[in-house]
Amino acid sequence: EDQVTQSPEALRLQEGESSSLNCSYTVSGLRGLFWYRQDPGKGPEFLFTLYSAGEEKEKERLKATLTKKESFLHITAPKPEDSATYLCAVRQNAGGTSYGKLTFGQGTILTVHP
Amino acid sequence: GAVVSQHPSWVICKSGTSVKIECRSLDFQATTMFWYRQFPKQSLMLMATSNEGSKATYEQGVEKDKFLINHASLTLSTLTVTSAHPEDSSFYICSASGTDVVYEQYFGPGTRLTVT
Repeated sequence: EDQVTQSPEALRLQEGESSSLNCSYTVSGLRGLFWYRQDPGKGPEFLFTLYSAGEEKEKERLKATLTKKESFLHITAPKPEDSATYLCAVRQNAGGTSYGKLTFGQGTILTVHP
Repeated sequence: GAVVSQHPSWVICKSGTSVKIECRSLDFQATTMFWYRQFPKQSLMLMATSNEGSKATYEQGVEKDKFLINHASLTLSTLTVTSAHPEDSSFYICSASGTDVVYEQYFGPGTRLTVT
């Protein structure tokens, strides 16, 4: 059974204090690891998809990396507006189709203080 | 691009009534749509997967007669909560994936359902 574990559950940072969020996974036939950001009362906002170990993607202050067992979301010099819940999800190989379901982690609640 | 909308954004209904939630892909054709529910301070729980023109596939433990899903077109899926009860109160979120946004799932803004 697919498993996704995110750590820490909550992270409090000072503005400008860089850090990383972790997503550990076990899945047979990974067909993508996804990072989303979710603000309270809203749907998740797509950030990144990573497909193979060694892959990295960046967007503004965020950088996502992937190994065979885990992914990291690095946040460089965060600002208060980066405060949100960050969700990690994996998609299992679904027979070559594009709609394999996602298994989500519990999320990391990030709070950035000014 | 890849915008998904939901309607309504929130709804209050009385126990025993039915409620329909719409999910639309605004700028792409959604081959597959997913319905999730999320309880406070918890992660997303997949309820069902629907492919256009086919019956939905429900996750274990989800009552298919209570949560009716219809995916009649490539841009619209609906979730109907039948005979709603207070325990059905939750945040319902849809997502969509299509042939022209291969591999990514884009989420709608969610619908807050409160059953009184």
